Amino acid sequence: EVQLVESGGGLVEPGGSLRLSCAASGFTFSVTWMSWVRQAPGKGLEWVGRMKSNPSGATADYGAPVKGRFTISRDDSKNTLYLQMNSLKVEDTAVYYCTTIAPWEISQPAGLLTYFWGQGTLVTVSS
Amino acid sequence: DIVMTQSPDSLAVSLGERATINCKSSQSVLYSSNSKNNLAWFQQKPGQPPKLLIYWASTRESGVPDRFSGSGSGTDFTLTISSLQAEDVAVYYCQQYYSTPQTFGQGTKLEIK
Repeated sequence: EVQLVESGGGLVEPGGSLRLSCAASGFTFSVTWMSWVRQAPGKGLEWVGRMKSNPSGATADYGAPVKGRFTISRDDSKNTLYLQMNSLKVEDTAVYYCTTIAPWEISQPAGLLTYFWGQGTLVTVSS
Repeated sequence: DIVMTQSPDSLAVSLGERATINCKSSQSVLYSSNSKNNLAWFQQKPGQPPKLLIYWASTRESGVPDRFSGSGSGTDFTLTISSLQAEDVAVYYCQQYYSTPQTFGQGTKLEIK
């Protein structure tokens, strides 16, 4: 059974940093592309970014609101995805979901289809 | 960026009746190499993460009841629930995964009339 468990959320002041983790199990993490999606309280879904697997180059793409402030990384030895968030703003307040990306035959050409989702972790940016 | 626009924003339907949600993309999401539309539908119930219902505009994900169906091509898409059940109360989102950044519609809240 696929499981994605996010952790690391909490309250942080504007300008601060936080690192989220996503522990994965039930599938071959090392060959799976992964992504982060966020949802502000009572609002819709917003793509944060996506990271390719190491065999695919391990590069990441980001949405415009977080580019230059957030960094996605992965540790395949620990089956864990990370989201390093710096220079946090009030508008970054949201539940952050970790997702797998669907197999290439479904998600080509861009590899962006979010497949399995974790339960999410809440990040609150406030003074 | 491809903008996804859903209609209506909210919808109230009687149990057993048909529910229809529309989604329009600002540009085509048809991938010519495989003739598939890179359009997905998600269901989000209160307090839960979104769940993938449909991909390629009309292919149901494994385990999704057949009362859920998707249609459309190019820029105009529809999610239909043929006979609304109480457990279908949720917010529904369309998503384009054709190009970066991946984008979602604003969501349609479905309730029981």
